[in-house]
Amino acid sequence: DGGITQSPKYLFRKEGQNVTLSCEQNLNHDAMYWYRQDPGQGLRLIYYSQIVNDFQKGDIAEGYSVSREKKESFPLTVTSAQKNPTAFYLCASSIPTRVQYFGPGTRLLVL
Amino acid sequence: AQTVTQSQPEMSVQEAETVTLSCTYDTSESDYYLFWYKQPPSRQMILVIRQEAYKQQNATENRFSVNFQKAAKSFSLKISDSQLGDAAMYFCAYRSVNRDDKIIFGKGTRLHILP
Repeated sequence: DGGITQSPKYLFRKEGQNVTLSCEQNLNHDAMYWYRQDPGQGLRLIYYSQIVNDFQKGDIAEGYSVSREKKESFPLTVTSAQKNPTAFYLCASSIPTRVQYFGPGTRLLVL
Repeated sequence: AQTVTQSQPEMSVQEAETVTLSCTYDTSESDYYLFWYKQPPSRQMILVIRQEAYKQQNATENRFSVNFQKAAKSFSLKISDSQLGDAAMYFCAYRSVNRDDKIIFGKGTRLHILP
C-alpha cells in the first residue's frame, strides 16, 4: 500500500529534551512538508523540502530542525529551544505543485 | 502574499440536508490550485476536492461540489445529502503553481451534522 507513515502516534517530551518525529513515504514524491496544528487552529508550515539534501524554513521554523538525506524520509526534530511544543504534527508529501497527501499525525505532549 | 479566509468557524446542518461552506482568498496570480480538505475526529487530513484556476467548470466529487468564482476570489464547498460521517473540520487551501510550492490553509470550519 502506498502512503505516508508517521511515528510515534504519541510522543512525550521532558524539559530540555530534543525529540524526533518520523515521517516516511513510499509514494515516490519529491516534496515533503511538516505542519504544526494547535487546538482549533489551522495548519502552520514548519519546514519543507522539494528535493533530497535541500529544505527551506516555513513560517514557524524556530525551535525545529529537519534533514532530508533520503527521498522517502523527512524527520523533524523538536529541540529544547521550542518552548511550547505541545501540538499535533502533520507530515505531508506531494509531486511539486500538486495535491499534498498527509500522514496520520503525531501528538506531542510535554511532561 | 496570498491569504485564505474561512469566515464561518462553525456550522450545523440537519442530516440529509445541503450545506455550503465559504472560502475567500486573495492573490495576484492568475494560475493556481484550490483545495478543500476534511479533518475528521481521527485528525487524518483527507482531500475532498480540488479545482484548477484555469478551468471554468466547477469540480464535483459525488456529494461534494464547489462554486468557484475566480473574479470574486471565492471558492465555496457544497455538501449535498449530508451524512453523519461528514462531521469534521473543513479546510480551504490555496497553492501557487509558480513559486515556492507552499500551500496556504484557512483556519477551518467545524461542521456538525444533526441527526
